[in-house]
Amino acid sequence: GAGVSQSPSNKVTEKGKDVELRCDPISGHTALYWYRQSLGQGLEFLIYFQGNSAPDKSGLPSDRFSAERTGGSVSTLTIQRTQQEDSAVYLCASSPSGTDYGRVGGYTFGSGTRLTVV
Amino acid sequence: AQSVTQLDSQVPVFEEAPVELRCNYSSSVSVYLFWYVQYPNQGLQLLLKYLSGSTLVESINGFETEFNKSQTSFHLRKPSVHISDTAEYFCAVSPIRAGGFKTIFGAGTRLFVKA
Repeated sequence: GAGVSQSPSNKVTEKGKDVELRCDPISGHTALYWYRQSLGQGLEFLIYFQGNSAPDKSGLPSDRFSAERTGGSVSTLTIQRTQQEDSAVYLCASSPSGTDYGRVGGYTFGSGTRLTVV
Repeated sequence: AQSVTQLDSQVPVFEEAPVELRCNYSSSVSVYLFWYVQYPNQGLQLLLKYLSGSTLVESINGFETEFNKSQTSFHLRKPSVHISDTAEYFCAVSPIRAGGFKTIFGAGTRLFVKA
């Protein structure tokens, strides 16, 4: 597609439920990133996929968080047993190549999924 | 490890006044530097980037930044702001290394332009 697409745009869920957030990156972009933006805070790195390499999961805050990327394209971020502190905007971004970043520069972000845990 | 500090959480300014949004960073390796802008109810957009070469970088909508390596700063400036510049601005760094990397963002500065 023309841009990075995220769905749903808004999600309200009850505490303890599982949620899945979807990201459809720009076609041909090999690198995909998930960030979390909480109120009054910056963007917190969650996970990074680059091609077929093992993902960098160093930013996942707990084992309730997981992500996968199927076929090198669409990614799903799953949060199990949601807690109120999980409420945030979850942003997905893609770039042409994680290792060629210096020449192409910059991510393209989706509009995010606003998750509210009640 | 890298860290990014945006020194002001909010900056109110009148239209047509100059503005500077401050950003400092620390890193043990060389980094690329970026500014992103997030307009109300929209996603983040790349505003400008510093990869190498000239320390003065300009964007297409009048913002500029000057990379100061000795002070590890990357402040964003605009000589005359418009109402439409009201947004949240994030500076970010990415370490220059092979094998992929992640970008570290500051906490953001909310620019509010008043008529």
